[in-house]
Amino acid sequence: EIVLTQSPATLSLSPGERATLSCRASQSVNSFLAWYQHKPGQAPRLLIYDASNRATGIPARFSGSGSGTDFSLTISSLEPEDFAVYYCQQRKAWPITFGQGTRLEIK
Amino acid sequence: EVQLVESGGDLVQPGGSLRLSCAASGFTFTTYDLTWVRQAPGKGLEWVSAITGRGDNTYYADSVKGRFTISRDNSKNTLYLQMNNLRAEDTAKYYCASRHSIGWYIDYWGQGSLVTVSS
Repeated sequence: EIVLTQSPATLSLSPGERATLSCRASQSVNSFLAWYQHKPGQAPRLLIYDASNRATGIPARFSGSGSGTDFSLTISSLEPEDFAVYYCQQRKAWPITFGQGTRLEIK
Repeated sequence: EVQLVESGGDLVQPGGSLRLSCAASGFTFTTYDLTWVRQAPGKGLEWVSAITGRGDNTYYADSVKGRFTISRDNSKNTLYLQMNNLRAEDTAKYYCASRHSIGWYIDYWGQGSLVTVSS
């Protein structure tokens, strides 16, 4: 099973600041990695797929990068609605696995 | 508009069984691979099981293999998850979701159905 480790566990920032979240895989997943945003009481939302492609309707302030084992999600300038939990997910091999999540909170 | 609506969540005793359903609308059901993902209270997302559009291939997490069965009725546009021999650690909100056109990412999600396993 491919283990995804996200860091940091919690990130405290202010609106307007830049956020960088990391996801490291226990073995190469090529570029087969996605990022999701999850807010309380809502379903998760796909942000980025195949490491760097924005999903439909996702604002340009969200970007993804990386390949192999190291990946990043960057939010260029935080909006109030961006504070949530973020998960990475790999589709390189079964079983599908998620990272444990990074909580992005308002400082 | 794609809609996925889960039902069947309940309080059940350890060792008991439950079947979740997911009614789908807004898309051609047979062309979509579907999946179940769960979130235990205070925990992260955990993939549970997946099934291809025609139902000819199924996949399971090791934590549920042999206890859970995923199936679908394409004539009713409905996805199922039969859960047997339930354990306390199966307590979670269970989401029904669909596979992205690119590959096994998840683009559409239901709102979830709560399963509580407790005596």
